[in-house]
Amino acid sequence: DVKVTQSSRYLVKRTGEKVFLECVQDMDHENMFWYRQDPGLGLRLIYFSYDVKMKEKGDIPEGYSVSREKKERFSLILESASTNQTSMYLCASNQGVTQYFGPGTRLLVL
Amino acid sequence: SQQGEEDPQALSIQEGENATMNCSYKTSINNLQWYRQNSGRGLVHLILIRSNEREKHSGRLRVTLDTSKKSSSLLITASRAADTASYFCATDARQGAQKLVFGQGTRLTINP
Repeated sequence: DVKVTQSSRYLVKRTGEKVFLECVQDMDHENMFWYRQDPGLGLRLIYFSYDVKMKEKGDIPEGYSVSREKKERFSLILESASTNQTSMYLCASNQGVTQYFGPGTRLLVL
Repeated sequence: SQQGEEDPQALSIQEGENATMNCSYKTSINNLQWYRQNSGRGLVHLILIRSNEREKHSGRLRVTLDTSKKSSSLLITASRAADTASYFCATDARQGAQKLVFGQGTRLTINP
């Protein structure tokens, strides 16, 4: 079975802090994705990566950056967290058309 | 960008009844998928239907696709309390990109 893990289930940070969300997949997938999920807005794509060191902006990249130094790991970085980044963050990976999701990280920025 | 829209936003039925959720999208697709999300968890893939297919079955799930109307439906038959979850449709954004565009989801509650 494909397994996608995320470093934290719950995270509380203060405004202005630098935040790292880590995602690891164990199936040698080429593509990895970061989404945020908010009530009434569904899932919105922040960034995705189609290879090591390769990245592409999604629909809402502002305030975020990403890093993919190894194929299995895709990190989402909030350079200076703000309260409007309080959300559920979901990581996913795929090789074909089906995406496999991690359990999510619920981030609260105070 | 295209966006799937689910209808209804919320659905509450009795255990044993059938649940039908609908999804509409805006542009041409290669395939459409349905995912399930239990409360506070990640999404899990349920079923995929290709643009040249009209209907697909998997266990108690039945998916239809009408490309002329740009719509799909997910039917869950003989619902169980464990089917309580949010259900999302997802369409591929464009050929080769492997990105998906998700709808806002239908929150399904099965009452015992």
